[in-house]
Amino acid sequence: AQSVAQPEDQVNVAEGNPLTVKCTYSVSGNPYLFWYVQYPNRGLQFLLKYITGDNLVKGSYGFEAEFNKSQTSFHLKKPSALVSDSALYFCAVSDGDDKIIFGKGTRLHILP
Amino acid sequence: GAVVSQHPSWVICKSGTSVKIECRSLDFQATTMFWYRQFPKQSLMLMATSNEGSKATYEQGVEKDKFLINHASLTLSTLTVTSAHPEDSSFYICSALAADTQYFGPGTRLTVL
Repeated sequence: AQSVAQPEDQVNVAEGNPLTVKCTYSVSGNPYLFWYVQYPNRGLQFLLKYITGDNLVKGSYGFEAEFNKSQTSFHLKKPSALVSDSALYFCAVSDGDDKIIFGKGTRLHILP
Repeated sequence: GAVVSQHPSWVICKSGTSVKIECRSLDFQATTMFWYRQFPKQSLMLMATSNEGSKATYEQGVEKDKFLINHASLTLSTLTVTSAHPEDSSFYICSALAADTQYFGPGTRLTVL
């Protein structure tokens, strides 16, 4: 069965510092991995996805994520955090079919 | 806590029929629920925002007459796919908003023959 874990409920980062939001997954077969961001009272916004190809995936708003097959991880990263990056981030995994499983979310606080 | 259920988990229907999918927040009240659609290997697509006691807000390109949303209570939102066609076959997932966090249902797989 598919599963995805976001081990941190909250991550605090000072503005200008690099940020990482962690995600690990479990899926039979090849994983399809996604990151979404949620701003207050809004629906999810797509940030990036990994289907195949380069392990480093670049997405919206300067975010990137690195697919690590041996560690079954897909951590979200950004070299320099902005206060406006403060939001709730969800990692999700699919097995290539249409069913998708979400992590519980990580709240990112960027401190000015 | 914060459990969201969907019913049915899967449904197969004939082309031209209508299908209703329920999304329930089991242990909390949600004035806002979201409906998403997932295509294979694609990112999730937000279809609409469902607000209790008022009309849903649909995203651009989503036909509101085809995808009827009713949020009649603080624990239940329904999505009705009217006159379903094979291209409506997809995985539909809902979420309920509580304390600024979305809690996702397990999804409903719709197959239209």
